[in-house]
Amino acid sequence: GQNIDQPTEMTATEGAIVQINCTYQTSGFNGLFWYQQHAGEAPTFLSYNVLDGLEEKGRFSSFLSRSKGYSYLLLKELQMKDSASYLCAVRGVMGGYQKVTFGTGTKLQVIP
Amino acid sequence: SAVISQKPSRDICQRGTSLTIQCQVDSQVTMMFWYRQQPGQSLTLIATANQGSEATYESGFVIDKFPISRPNLTFSTLTVSNMSPEDSSIYLCSVEGSGQVDNEQFFGPGTRLTVL
Repeated sequence: GQNIDQPTEMTATEGAIVQINCTYQTSGFNGLFWYQQHAGEAPTFLSYNVLDGLEEKGRFSSFLSRSKGYSYLLLKELQMKDSASYLCAVRGVMGGYQKVTFGTGTKLQVIP
Repeated sequence: SAVISQKPSRDICQRGTSLTIQCQVDSQVTMMFWYRQQPGQSLTLIATANQGSEATYESGFVIDKFPISRPNLTFSTLTVSNMSPEDSSIYLCSVEGSGQVDNEQFFGPGTRLTVL
């Protein structure tokens, strides 16, 4: 099956950098996503990695190592509005068809 | 991108009753996904709804409890049957589409269900 692990909670200071890690196990890996979810709202797409390496997009970067089953989301110059849950999701093959499985999410609190 | 609407946005229901949640997408999509998100938890896939065929249910979810309809390429319903307080959750409809990447998932605003 698919198994995804990420820390439950993190706290970081406004203006700082935070790294949220995600490890996964899956069959037929076909991409890893990061989503942001503010309390009471639906998840929104942040990033996608399918090849090894770093994808940078403004203040947000995401890294993937397929051989290690590992990814991280890097948030720079943290702002108070970055307080949210960050969901790691892996696309793989289960039961003969493609499926996206979400991790439990990391609740990030940004403090002044 | 895809814009998704859901009805109702929230409801409070009595134990033993059923609720049907509607999901409407502004474009035609092959697969629609129904997720459940219990308080403080992540998303759990209930089933994948394919137009013209039976829905595919994930382990732990059965058709009798969560019947799904998919009458066309832009619409789906999820029914939560014979509800109990354990069914209190947010139910989200989702589709895959071409956004910033080809297989980005777009989510509806969710239906917040409370069962008394």
